[in-house]
Amino acid sequence: QSALTQPPSASGSPGQSVTISCTGTRSDVGGYNYVSWYQQHPGKAPKLMIYEVSKRPSGVPDRFSGSKSGNTASLTVSGLQAEDEADYYCSSYAGSNRVFGGGTKLTV
Amino acid sequence: EVQLVQSGAEVKKPGESLKISCKGSGYSFTTYWIGWVRQMPGKGLEWMGIIYPGDSDTRYSPSFQGQVTISADKSITTAYLKWSSLKASDTAMYYCARHGISMVRGVIINDYGMDVWGQGTAVTVSS
Repeated sequence: QSALTQPPSASGSPGQSVTISCTGTRSDVGGYNYVSWYQQHPGKAPKLMIYEVSKRPSGVPDRFSGSKSGNTASLTVSGLQAEDEADYYCSSYAGSNRVFGGGTKLTV
Repeated sequence: EVQLVQSGAEVKKPGESLKISCKGSGYSFTTYWIGWVRQMPGKGLEWMGIIYPGDSDTRYSPSFQGQVTISADKSITTAYLKWSSLKASDTAMYYCARHGISMVRGVIINDYGMDVWGQGTAVTVSS
């Protein structure tokens, strides 16, 4: 079972927007609307940012949004702030188990 | 407060066994799944498996099937990850996380993501 494909890095200036992609197959991302995104700062546990493709848990700023088209999910961070600098991972249901993406390091 | 508290760091030798724990509190332990995630040094997250403490239904990633055992004791609201014979390549940080999933007749109807994480347990395997 292969990891989902994410770009290794992304960057943007404060106030700008950046989109991170997550590409899978019809067996995972394309087959279910159960994609989630996680933010991880160095030395910290991951934090849930998006679930079910586009829903935000309570407390997550609305600057974070998610979407999906076909086999590719995307996370968009608008109005970039310094504290958004972190690693971001997508994850998808894959029929009885789950798979993560390789991660994207976002530099602000 | 909803939290997962994991057991402390471990240093083991190859071939030894190990069981790490993840204690849940502040919520109904038997109605959420608990997942385990590996993060090797400097690498990304890897999904290992998941257990439903209510009935001990357990699923494994093909990559970890047969390599580890996931279990739970609902009487003490604790989930476990166990190795019977450690390898140097098991050196990593291991996280547990609460995963809210609603199912009807075995079909997922809602997946709320891994919304509460433990602090991680660092496992070092070295001779």
